[in-house]
Amino acid sequence: EVQLVESGGGLVQPGGSLRLSCVASGFSFSTNSMDWVRQAPGKGLEWLSYITGSSTKYYADSVRGRFTISRDNGKNSLYLQMNNLRLEDTGIYYCAKDEGTSGFDVWGQGTLVTVSS
Amino acid sequence: DIQLTQSPSFLSASVGDRVTITCRASQGSSNSLAWYQQKPGKAPKVLIYGVSILQSGVPSRFTGRGSGTEFTLTISSLQPEDFATYYCQYLDTWPFTFGPGTTVDIK
Repeated sequence: EVQLVESGGGLVQPGGSLRLSCVASGFSFSTNSMDWVRQAPGKGLEWLSYITGSSTKYYADSVRGRFTISRDNGKNSLYLQMNNLRLEDTGIYYCAKDEGTSGFDVWGQGTLVTVSS
Repeated sequence: DIQLTQSPSFLSASVGDRVTITCRASQGSSNSLAWYQQKPGKAPKVLIYGVSILQSGVPSRFTGRGSGTEFTLTISSLQPEDFATYYCQYLDTWPFTFGPGTTVDIK
């Protein structure tokens, strides 16, 4: 079964850091591009970051310089290091398998990040 | 960067209705446009990609059309399981922008 499982969310104070993980199974992780997408409470989807199998990376303007995407192909794992967190970073964070122009065809269940003092 | 708008933001419809959601891009887009369905508390699910290609397993009552800057998602006969929020997404190049969403609710 193709599956993505996120972890690492939680409550953090403004200015703090958090590292999200996403473990993949059921497909060739090392050759697939991956993305992080978030959803603020009651709001729409916001694309955050993209990484190719060879670790070329792109970021949304809202997180560039604060968030870092990375991957460990040996562990079938995707990461999102989030620093200098702001109140507006609160939301559910999803990892997704990226099939290019065929869209994001597999999503994790999401992990909740709450930034609050 | 390409900006996407969707209309309407919200629509109320009955089972059996035909509904159409429009996604407009701020500049001419390639055919790299996808549609997703999201139900409350669940992750999004891709319905259509490449403007009009149905993802495997998606019912044929879903149809995508369009070109240039205007794209549509049509549900030919709304079913109870179709009440959800729908998002378009631009996939040609980063940033892989999502539209703001259209919520389809039960009348």
